Amino acid sequence: AQSVAQPEDQVNVAEGNPLTVKCTYSVSGNPYLFWYVQYPNRGLQFLLKYITGDNLVKGSYGFEAEFNKSQTSFHLKKPSALVSDSALYFCAVRDVGGYDKIIFGKGTRLHILP
Amino acid sequence: NAGVTQTPKFQVLKTGQSMTLQCAQDMNHNSMYWYRQDPGMGLRLIYYSASEGTTDKGEVPNGYNVSRLNKREFSLRLESAAPSQTSVYFCASSDFRGGTGELFFGEGSRLTVL
Repeated sequence: AQSVAQPEDQVNVAEGNPLTVKCTYSVSGNPYLFWYVQYPNRGLQFLLKYITGDNLVKGSYGFEAEFNKSQTSFHLKKPSALVSDSALYFCAVRDVGGYDKIIFGKGTRLHILP
Repeated sequence: NAGVTQTPKFQVLKTGQSMTLQCAQDMNHNSMYWYRQDPGMGLRLIYYSASEGTTDKGEVPNGYNVSRLNKREFSLRLESAAPSQTSVYFCASSDFRGGTGELFFGEGSRLTVL
């Protein structure tokens, strides 16, 4: 069975500082990994994905994520946080050997402090 | 290009009433999904359909039924609504075989069961 864990309910970062939102996963085969963002009263927007290839994936709005197979992690990062990055962030995983089943984590609320 | 369209956007039901949430996508995607979002619980997969004619249970299928009517449409039915089904429901679609693999979401349907 596949699963996703986002160990932090909330992350607070000062504007201009680097940010990291953590995600670990469990799958029986190889993973497809995703990050999505949800702004208040809005739907979910795709940020980036790891399918195969380079472990460092770059996405929208200056975000990037690093796939680490040995640690089964896919942490979201940004070198310099903006107040407008404040939102709810979700990590998701699909087991390549599975039936297109995609599971999400519980989400991490990111607060960027001015 | 409408993407993923779900109806209705808002609905209030009384306990025991039934209703169907409709979802349609115009991206020719093979896979479709229904998630529910609750505070502190993240996005939980209710049912998904990897292709026309197939449906599979997700993490929280109890109390729900689905129909993959054709490649475009995937409906979610609550036969006897309960207050525990008060939530925001999201439909999504993706295509891992011919597309880019990420989920495309509808705008959500807010359901309140009294």
